Amino acid sequence: NAGVTQTPKFRILKIGQSMTLQCTQDMNHNYMYWYRQDPGMGLKLIYYSVGAGITDKGEVPNGYNVSRSTTEDFPLRLELAAPSQTSVYFCASRQGNEQFFGPGTRLTVL
Amino acid sequence: DQQVKQNSPSLSVQEGRISILNCDYTNSMFDYFLWYKKYPAEGPTFLISISSIKDKNEDGRFTVFLNKSAKHLSLHIVPSQPGDSAVYFCAASSGGFKTIFGAGTRLFVKA
Repeated sequence: NAGVTQTPKFRILKIGQSMTLQCTQDMNHNYMYWYRQDPGMGLKLIYYSVGAGITDKGEVPNGYNVSRSTTEDFPLRLELAAPSQTSVYFCASRQGNEQFFGPGTRLTVL
Repeated sequence: DQQVKQNSPSLSVQEGRISILNCDYTNSMFDYFLWYKKYPAEGPTFLISISSIKDKNEDGRFTVFLNKSAKHLSLHIVPSQPGDSAVYFCAASSGGFKTIFGAGTRLFVKA
């Protein structure tokens, strides 16, 4: 049981490039989340999903897109990377009130 | 608009003493509160939680206290150990899908 896995662990992008952050969970949880954490700040919700085929925006969705074609996978897409998207990104799944987080992806946009 | 506030960015405590981490919230609709612990280069992990119908929940060395009238909760760690050094996030939810996180408090436990 791997829990929540994220790839890649680190990535450097140039302004205007695009990329997909991968997230997979093997706990059969319906709820999944994407957060970003900036230095000295809490976790800000980007997008969430309550099940396959259903996604919705969180607090800071601009510049991102998501899809949820299966229960297991919840990829986060950055279409035109900007320096403001430099952050650490965490994916999580949820059972009850508890969320289970992946190890994070550290993204730098230069 | 910060609905969950952790006003102390850091806290330093001697090993064996009590660590008290504080959290304030503004939304009276929150009905469940959680504490997460985060080590460097890892994702947060769940530590302890409390429902709004309770005022205390204890799990080993960790106790969470909830004061609804003051919209305040605290996490007590007794005794503190060097392995407790981490960032602690307070979080709250209101029965829906979303959880609001505080900015975190970095705890240093000195040996």
